[in-house]
Amino acid sequence: DGGITQSPKYLFRKEGQNVTLSCEQNLNHDAMYWYRQDPGQGLRLIYYSQIVNDFQKGDIAEGYSVSREKKESFPLTVTSAQKNPTAFYLCASSIGDLGSPLHFGNGTRLTVT
Amino acid sequence: QKEVEQDPGPLSVPEGAIVSLNCTYSNSAFQYFMWYRQYSRKGPELLMYTYSSGNKEDGRFTAQVDKSSKYISLFIRDSQPSDSATYLCAMSKNSNSGYALNFGKGTSLLVTP
Repeated sequence: DGGITQSPKYLFRKEGQNVTLSCEQNLNHDAMYWYRQDPGQGLRLIYYSQIVNDFQKGDIAEGYSVSREKKESFPLTVTSAQKNPTAFYLCASSIGDLGSPLHFGNGTRLTVT
Repeated sequence: QKEVEQDPGPLSVPEGAIVSLNCTYSNSAFQYFMWYRQYSRKGPELLMYTYSSGNKEDGRFTAQVDKSSKYISLFIRDSQPSDSATYLCAMSKNSNSGYALNFGKGTSLLVTP
């Protein structure tokens, strides 16, 4: 089945540690996205990539980094510089055209204490 | 003012009721409109996709777009307990970063047996 796989489902880290969230897709989509979801805040765009080896900052990129070395993979690193890292992180992909819907993974819940 | 506004609810209805969910937006540049359904601790899944003003029906679901009023709606007929979820409206415009979507905050719906 085609889809987007995010792992792990739950992640716990101590404050001050960097952590990397995995996102893999087998939909052959060009574009990939990372969103953060907090209660009462909706989905906010962290980073996006429209093509391999290229990515751009979204609305809340501070404290995060990404890479796009393969079409299928778009890992997100939450660095120690992110002030409020505890959140639900969603990865998505699309064919990359205007108006194309996003397909989401089932998210990673990150808790930093 | 946020570009996309959505009442977070919660909205509680009895089984069999007609549900009306709404979003307003401020930027007339939005051209593509979607509704996503998100179950607890899962990623959003695409429910409805519309481009033009008017109605689009799919089974028990009807999406309505009124571009003149900058208002979109999702109607659910004969609601079922399995419809209990958070419903997110989303929309896209040409200037969006990487053609990412702007999301409403989501409306939490509970359908009681």
